[in-house]
Amino acid sequence: GAGVSQSPRYKVAKRGQDVALRCDPISGHVSLFWYQQALGQGPEFLTYFQNEAQLDKSGLPSDRFFAERPEGSVSTLKIQRTQQEDSAVYLCASSLRDRSSYEQYFGPGTRLTVT
Amino acid sequence: RKEVEQDPGPFNVPEGATVAFNCTYSNSASQSFFWYRQDCRKEPKLLMSVYSSGNEDGRFTAQLNRASQYISLLIRDSKLSDSATYLCVVNKGKLIFGQGTTLQVKP
Repeated sequence: GAGVSQSPRYKVAKRGQDVALRCDPISGHVSLFWYQQALGQGPEFLTYFQNEAQLDKSGLPSDRFFAERPEGSVSTLKIQRTQQEDSAVYLCASSLRDRSSYEQYFGPGTRLTVT
Repeated sequence: RKEVEQDPGPFNVPEGATVAFNCTYSNSASQSFFWYRQDCRKEPKLLMSVYSSGNEDGRFTAQLNRASQYISLLIRDSKLSDSATYLCVVNKGKLIFGQGTTLQVKP
């Protein structure tokens, strides 16, 4: 079956531009997570949705980062006024049940480069 | 100090070798523990869960010591295809990843 998909796979943005990254989770998965992975590091948690509700946004690094999941399926991570330090791979993951359900399935990621 | 600490390596081993990775975590409220595998420029994938009683999946053995807040992964009879980054992961309501340990298995 279809896994988690993300688009675009690669994005180059000029500093100060806004970007929007899309995640299509596995159909029927309740939980959706966004992570940021810098080069040579493990993924870092950004935010968590249970259906359409954003239950945890403690990992968002600044108010330039905003995520939504309005209908409880597709999610968008938006970064406003991008900075060079935003360059990273942004990973989306989904899970069948609530956040305590351990198996998260990851998408291929969006590699963002801010120049 | 990071919540989950791993030696980044790289570990370079010959085929057939046994290799062990260790990880320490700082939050005793952590609920569950995992090893994920990440190939170069790919997404992380769940390798195995880690239990206090220890668990084995083929050539892979994982162990958890809650008292010492220490997690290990043992790979026996290494294959070329085991070359990857191994991420130690703690679940405390959200997944906390270590930096990852890179393994390179050479012929």
